[in-house]
Amino acid sequence: RKEVEQDPGPFNVPEGATVAFNCTYSNSASQSFFWYRQDCRKEPKLLMSVYSSGNEDGRFTAQLNRASQYISLLIRDSKLSDSATYLCVLDTGRRALTFGSGTRLQVQP
Amino acid sequence: NAGVTQTPKFRILKIGQSMTLQCTQDMNHNYMYWYRQDPGMGLKLIYYSVGAGITDKGEVPNGYNVSRSTTEDFPLRLELAAPSQTSVYFCASSPRQGAGGELFFGEGSRLTVL
Repeated sequence: RKEVEQDPGPFNVPEGATVAFNCTYSNSASQSFFWYRQDCRKEPKLLMSVYSSGNEDGRFTAQLNRASQYISLLIRDSKLSDSATYLCVLDTGRRALTFGSGTRLQVQP
Repeated sequence: NAGVTQTPKFRILKIGQSMTLQCTQDMNHNYMYWYRQDPGMGLKLIYYSVGAGITDKGEVPNGYNVSRSTTEDFPLRLELAAPSQTSVYFCASSPRQGAGGELFFGEGSRLTVL
């Protein structure tokens, strides 16, 4: 089983829609969780951290469910500029962060 | 504000050739990493370093070597290029392990082996 699993998508949504992605992880010792954003042919960049209590940053909300071992990202009022690949990332306390394969979002006018 | 700089941005190699991907950071970060990203896939850790003079293998180290003689530089060496090494290579740094999850990435080096 992969350490981090994400639906690759693409998720095609109209502007203004609400869209949610899930990510499941297998290592229960995972300590911290993050969402990164990667634009086409660009480097990944940190979008937000994910806390057990939930974390909101403008139109973006991230949540963690430790019991079920998944994290989620909710994007409200989608913009064209939100089109990107969203990477689920874990810190298991080992050598480096572990990256999922990503979920591709395409927001359409 | 340069951050993490990688060179070259693009390179085509023939099978069996060697090359070095350069990575330099000017943020005085102790931790540096090399990842590779194949199309439609996540990033896989090749090598990492926790400080000058200290390097260690990641998930996919075969076919690569690294050195870390200074805090700033972390070059990645491909000794005998193979088509399986066609990928995008990202160098990253962070001030400490975990570091709130924020890795600072270079823009990537796109390598094709023919």
